[in-house]
Amino acid sequence: ILNVEQSPQSLHVQEGDSTNFTCSFPSSNFYALHWYRWETAKSPEALFVMTLNGDEKKKGRISATLNTKEGYSYLYIKGSQPEDSATYLCAFEGIYNQGGKLIFGQGTELSVKP
Amino acid sequence: EPEVTQTPSHQVTQMGQEVILRCVPISNHLYFYWYRQILGQKVEFLVSFYNNEISEKSEIFDDQFSVERPDGSNFTLKIRSTKLEDSAMYFCASATGTNYEQYFGPGTRLTVT
Repeated sequence: ILNVEQSPQSLHVQEGDSTNFTCSFPSSNFYALHWYRWETAKSPEALFVMTLNGDEKKKGRISATLNTKEGYSYLYIKGSQPEDSATYLCAFEGIYNQGGKLIFGQGTELSVKP
Repeated sequence: EPEVTQTPSHQVTQMGQEVILRCVPISNHLYFYWYRQILGQKVEFLVSFYNNEISEKSEIFDDQFSVERPDGSNFTLKIRSTKLEDSAMYFCASATGTNYEQYFGPGTRLTVT
């Protein structure tokens, strides 16, 4: 059974703090790793899709790295703002999943206090 | 910006009843998906759909579930005889197929009583 784990489960930080979370996934049969940002009552929003080992992607204050050989990805938020409060989901896509099936972690719930 | 929409936002039904959850994917997308999240658990894959047929389905997606793209714009998930354990948030997603990105709708919360 393929398993994707995220840590920590929740994180409470002050505005201005930088933070990072981890996503662990199977290191074999890798195709892509997806990061989503999900605010309650809204659609999960795609942040990054990462496919190459060593990949680093950045969108504003958010960046992510990928290590497919050891099966982990880090998401970093620099200078957290209250509007960054959300659940951050990662999802593994395997090479043998013809239809694009995503296997999700349990998410990291981030709360940023002003 | 184009988005995936889902209706209704919340559906309450009695055990044993049939429900249809509706999704309108982004118009030029070719791949369609249903996922669900039971409260407190991970988001889990149900089914993928391409070229008017199921590409892949999970063990959860048994004979009680079916999907359809009846008119070229809607994508529906039908649960024939709902059980209490079907209570969950159901998400629809769509993708172009030319990149890896899946675009999610806001979800339908299904409550089975």
